[in-house]
Amino acid sequence: AQSVTQPDIHITVSEGASLELRCNYSYGATPYLFWYVQSPGQGLQLLLKYFSGDTLVQGIKGFEAEFKRSQSSFNLRKPSVHWSDAAEYFCAVAPEEYSGGGADGLTFGKGTHLIIQP
Amino acid sequence: DAGVIQSPRHEVTEMGQEVTLRCKPISGHNSLFWYRQTMMRGLELLIYFNNNVPIDDSGMPEDRFSAKMPNASFSTLKIQPSEPRDSAVYFCASSLGPGLVGTQYFGPGTRLTVL
Repeated sequence: AQSVTQPDIHITVSEGASLELRCNYSYGATPYLFWYVQSPGQGLQLLLKYFSGDTLVQGIKGFEAEFKRSQSSFNLRKPSVHWSDAAEYFCAVAPEEYSGGGADGLTFGKGTHLIIQP
Repeated sequence: DAGVIQSPRHEVTEMGQEVTLRCKPISGHNSLFWYRQTMMRGLELLIYFNNNVPIDDSGMPEDRFSAKMPNASFSTLKIQPSEPRDSAVYFCASSLGPGLVGTQYFGPGTRLTVL
């Protein structure tokens, strides 16, 4: 079964500074990778996803992520954060073909809580 | 489109009571997912429907949990009897097409507190 690790539970960044949120996955083959954002009191919104092709993926709200197979990582980046980016960010992984078993389904990391300092 | 609709947004109940959470997926979507989010375990997939049929319910924690999808526009997640450890935020999501790799659109969640 696949697993996802988000090593940072909390990250504090000054407004206007750059951001990188880390995500490491464990899966035997090429996974499908996702980043979701959850604003306070809201559901999850998909920021971007990687299936194949270019390893640098552009998403909404100015976010991008880079798939690095050698490091089993899919880190999320933004060159300049805004106060409205304060939220919980979830990395998720899915197998190339969902087999129907719960252990092979979409797996989320525990999340990284982003705090923006003025 | 109104997005995925969940009700209630908040539910407080006492241990032993039956709890029913409701979800209306986005019109035209044929896959529906129920997730549970807790601080300890993060976000977990509970069950997944495709074309109203449960495809995989191995994530459902125990027999006290059940989910139904009587038609394409409605699903319920029921807990009977509820226990304090069931306290969590429960999310419903829907997507177009089968499998997990279609973009899933999440509802706002139902925050359940079992006293």
